[in-house]
Amino acid sequence: EAQVTQNPRYLITVTGKKLTVTCSQNMNHEYMSWYRQDPGLGLRQIYYSMNVEVTDKGDVPEGYKVSRKEKRNFPLILESPSPNQTSLYFCASSFSAGDLTDTQYFGPGTRLTVL
Amino acid sequence: GENVEQHPSTLSVQEGDSAVIKCTYSDSASNYFPWYKQELGKGPQLIIDIRSNVGEKKDQRIAVTLNKTAKHFSLHITETQPEDSAVYFCAASSYSGGYQKVTFGTGTKLQVIP
Repeated sequence: EAQVTQNPRYLITVTGKKLTVTCSQNMNHEYMSWYRQDPGLGLRQIYYSMNVEVTDKGDVPEGYKVSRKEKRNFPLILESPSPNQTSLYFCASSFSAGDLTDTQYFGPGTRLTVL
Repeated sequence: GENVEQHPSTLSVQEGDSAVIKCTYSDSASNYFPWYKQELGKGPQLIIDIRSNVGEKKDQRIAVTLNKTAKHFSLHITETQPEDSAVYFCAASSYSGGYQKVTFGTGTKLQVIP
């Protein structure tokens, strides 16, 4: 089954404790992206990757890191989480980033709470 | 950059009635407008989209209209059913920095009352 998977689905942590949210897709997609969803703010892009070893900042990159060492995986790293990073996070992928109508497929989401 | 506004933030309708969600965008270069449905506990899923050279598109009970001059587009759901209850996001996409950048609206929570 074609899908985007994220782990963990739920995470409660404390301020300053490094964490990684994993994202994996099995569709051989070149483009992957991370979003955060907050009430009243919709989905905002954190980072994106056009292909392996190619990453760039989205609209709200502060406090986050990413890496793209393999085509299928795109982990999101919070080196020192803070309470304002409490949010619902989504990973998404699409075949490419340049095609006008390339559909983005979203993962099921990771609900992160930073105390 | 692009700014997408979406209204209303919540919408309750009786089963069988129609629902309309409206969005406006700011960047005249935006050329693709997808709509996503997010069910509880799941990620957003594309339900319909429209390109800038098309004024209207329909898929069964769902239709989207686009007014490029006014920079607004709308989602219309007819004969609503309880399973239509979800959060709906509009988005506007334009080619920027070598890729199609997608900017999302703030979402509309639709409740269909049986």
